[in-house]
Amino acid sequence: EADIYQTPRYLVIGTGKKITLECSQTMGHDKMYWYQQDPGMELHLIHYSYGVNSTEKGDLSSESTVSRIRTEHFPLTLESARPSHTSQYLCASSGGEVVADTQYFGPGTRLTVL
Amino acid sequence: ELKVEQNPLFLSMQEGKNYTIYCNYSTTSDRLYWYRQDPGKSLESLFVLLSNGAVKQEGRLMASLDTKARLSTLHITAAVHDLSATYFCAVDEGDMRFGAGTRLTVKP
Repeated sequence: EADIYQTPRYLVIGTGKKITLECSQTMGHDKMYWYQQDPGMELHLIHYSYGVNSTEKGDLSSESTVSRIRTEHFPLTLESARPSHTSQYLCASSGGEVVADTQYFGPGTRLTVL
Repeated sequence: ELKVEQNPLFLSMQEGKNYTIYCNYSTTSDRLYWYRQDPGKSLESLFVLLSNGAVKQEGRLMASLDTKARLSTLHITAAVHDLSATYFCAVDEGDMRFGAGTRLTVKP
């Protein structure tokens, strides 16, 4: 069973606040990902990382930043939250398999910006 | 740019019926994944297809991959209510690209 954790699970904040969403995995995976998903809709890749000190931008990266200082930890920061950021944020990791690159997803953080 | 298209996006079917979900993609990748997402939950991996002609089955679900046609299918046999969920296909080409998802509802 995958061991990937996200905190907080739910967050309600006001516009303009700076927030950091936490993601940790205990599987030793090199690759980690952040996705934004409105309920039941498609996933949009925000950022990804292939290892420590490696970060890449996805499709929706312009309003957020990530860091990868430790293998197991991949936090996502929104510098100034807006109502348009209201969504579910999913963290995933992969890299434990020889051939396949199956992603294991965390439980998600449901963010509401008022 | 890699495009992954699923159809249908919404599927309502009766218990006991069969149906197929299609996933078309625009690259030559031979690594395709199927995930399931229950309402309000996260995604879980269903199948990994790693070569042309690959077929995987678990329970009432069977996935196949045709890399020449750039097509994967997820076939549902004798649907039951527990299969109600959103199903995503994803193609691996450096980074994973997901389809829009097929929201399946199985009615009694």
